[in-house]
Amino acid sequence: EIVLTQSPGTLSLSPGERATLSCRASQAVSTSYLAWYQQKLGQAPRLLIYGASSRATGIPDRFSGSGSGTDFTLTISRLEPEDFALYYCQQYNKSPFTFGPGTKVDIK
Amino acid sequence: EVQLVESGGRLVQPGRSLRLSCAASGFTFENFALHWVRQVPGKGLEWVSRISWDSSDIDYADSVKGRFTVSRDNAKKSLYLQMNSLRLEDTALYYCAKDKGFWGFEGMDVWGQGTTVTVSS
Repeated sequence: EIVLTQSPGTLSLSPGERATLSCRASQAVSTSYLAWYQQKLGQAPRLLIYGASSRATGIPDRFSGSGSGTDFTLTISRLEPEDFALYYCQQYNKSPFTFGPGTKVDIK
Repeated sequence: EVQLVESGGRLVQPGRSLRLSCAASGFTFENFALHWVRQVPGKGLEWVSRISWDSSDIDYADSVKGRFTVSRDNAKKSLYLQMNSLRLEDTALYYCAKDKGFWGFEGMDVWGQGTTVTVSS
């Protein structure tokens, strides 16, 4: 099983700041098979990024994904008030399709 | 509108069975793989199962393998999860999610709102 580790656990930032979220895999993940999801309280997750760097439909361009191998990054260039939420990475390279534990982005 | 609506969740005793359903609308159901994902309230996401567009390729998490069975009916635009030998640790909100591709390797771009399964004596 591929174990995903996300850091930091919580990121406290102000609106307008840049957020950098990390996802590290226990073994190499093909870049085609890494996604990022956003989840707000009481809501279902929303796909932000797939294939490590492709934005899903309707996702603003302030969200970007990068990385390869075992290290991946989600960057939010300038935080908007609606971006304060939980973020999960997921690999779907090998079954089981594991999620990371999540990074909470909260308001400083 | 693209939509997934789960149903079937309820309170059930350990060792019993339950069948979840997910009704889809607003997209060509038979062209996409589907997943079940669960979440204990206040905890993270756990992928449960994947089924390809034609049901030929199916995967399960180790925690449910041998107890849960995923299936789909493309004519009815519905996804199912048969859950047997339920355990306390199966208590969670269960989401169904549509994949972007046929086989389930492209990311989950549409999610339902979930149905709650509570396993308790």
